[in-house]
Amino acid sequence: DGGITQSPKYLFRKEGQNVTLSCEQNLNHDAMYWYRQDPGQGLRLIYYSQIVNDFQKGDIAEGYSVSREKKESFPLTVTSAQKNPTAFYLCASSIVEGKTGELFFGEGSRLTVL
Amino acid sequence: SQQGEEDPQALSIQEGENATMNCSYKTSINNLQWYRQNSGRGLVHLILIRSNEREKHSGRLRVTLDTSKKSSSLLITASRAADTASYFCATSGGGADGLTFGKGTHLIIQP
Repeated sequence: DGGITQSPKYLFRKEGQNVTLSCEQNLNHDAMYWYRQDPGQGLRLIYYSQIVNDFQKGDIAEGYSVSREKKESFPLTVTSAQKNPTAFYLCASSIVEGKTGELFFGEGSRLTVL
Repeated sequence: SQQGEEDPQALSIQEGENATMNCSYKTSINNLQWYRQNSGRGLVHLILIRSNEREKHSGRLRVTLDTSKKSSSLLITASRAADTASYFCATSGGGADGLTFGKGTHLIIQP
């Protein structure tokens, strides 16, 4: 079945460590997105990519990095520069039709800093 | 950035009743979408309404959009226990730069 796969589902990190969250899609979508969700909050955009080898910062990019070497993959690295990384991270994809239509989401990765 | 704000933050009703959630936003939009999220899961797209549309239906869902008031409502009719979830509105400004989400309404359906 087509969809978006995020891994790992749960991740624990010590302060000062970088961690990478995986996001893979087989929907043949051009655009991919990373969102962060905190308790009681909506989703906030971290980074997005509309095409391979290109990506743009979202509203809260500081302390995060991404790459888009393949159409199917959009990994997110949470660096030690991110001051409050404990959160639920959601990856999404969409068809690019000049505007953002329906987003397809993965099941999320929950990161906890110990 | 545009921001949708849902109202109420939480809603508890009896099974079989209708549930209405509202969303307000600040700037012009290309489309507005509603999503559902079960606890600890990803979001699932429910319905999209374009800025030139006023009402849309999908099964037990009815969405309205009033661009003059910058507001939208989501009505779920004949609610079921399985409808218990958080519901988010999200706006698109017309570019391919993602959606802006509100904080959501947590809906509880009492059996």
